[in-house]
Amino acid sequence: NAGVMQNPRHLVRRRGQEARLRCSPMKGHSHVYWYRQLPEEGLKFMVYLQKENIIDESGMPKERFSAEFPKEGPSILRIQQVVRGDSAAYFCASSPLGTGAYEQYFGPGTRLTVT
Amino acid sequence: AQSVTQPDIHITVSEGASLELRCNYSYGATPYLFWYVQSPGQGLQLLLKYFSGDTLVQGIKGFEAEFKRSQSSFNLRKPSVHWSDAAEYFCARKSTGNQFYFGTGTSLTVIP
Repeated sequence: NAGVMQNPRHLVRRRGQEARLRCSPMKGHSHVYWYRQLPEEGLKFMVYLQKENIIDESGMPKERFSAEFPKEGPSILRIQQVVRGDSAAYFCASSPLGTGAYEQYFGPGTRLTVT
Repeated sequence: AQSVTQPDIHITVSEGASLELRCNYSYGATPYLFWYVQSPGQGLQLLLKYFSGDTLVQGIKGFEAEFKRSQSSFNLRKPSVHWSDAAEYFCARKSTGNQFYFGTGTSLTVIP
C-alpha cells in the first residue's frame, strides 16, 4: 500500500508565476489536508478537502491560493502569482475519515522556492 | 484558542542517555494527541498517539509518551537515545473537527 505521494518534491518558480502542487492520498483515504511549513516553524493547517468538496479552508490565505480534490485524480494546491514569502515546504496528509480519532498520514512534501 | 506548545526549541543529548521532550496543550476537552518525527527533507512519521484509556502510550522506535491531564502535558520519552534519533519532533493535537494543531517543534541533536 503506497503512502501519500506528492509531486514535485522540489519546485522553483519566479515571482509572478503559478505553482501547482499535487497530492495523491493513500489508497482508501478520501480526506486530504494541506499544511505549510515555513523555515524553523511547525506545520500550519491550510485546507481540508474531501472528493469534490472543500470542507474547511480557514487556514488558506484569502488571495492567490486555491485547492481542489476532484472526483478523479490527485488533490491540487495552486498558488497564483507567487511571491518570495510563499517559499516553504507544503505537506499533504490523508486520513480515512475526517472527524474523530484518526491520525493523518503525511507525504514527503513539496519544497517551493520562489526566486 | 487551541494550541500546542513545545517549550524546547533545541535539545542535545549524548547517545545512550535518556530523553524527554516536552509538550503542553491548551483547551480543556480530552484531546487527541500525537507525536511525529521529521528527518531532514522528509515528511512526518507518526511515533505514537493518545486518544483515551491508559495514559502511558507506547510508540515505535522505543518511544513512549505520558498524558497528564492535570499538567496539560504529553511529554515524549525514550530511555536510551540512538544517533539515528536525531531529527525534528512535533507534538500535535487534533480538534474534534478536522484540524491538526502542531507545536513549533523540538530539534534533537545526538552527540557520540
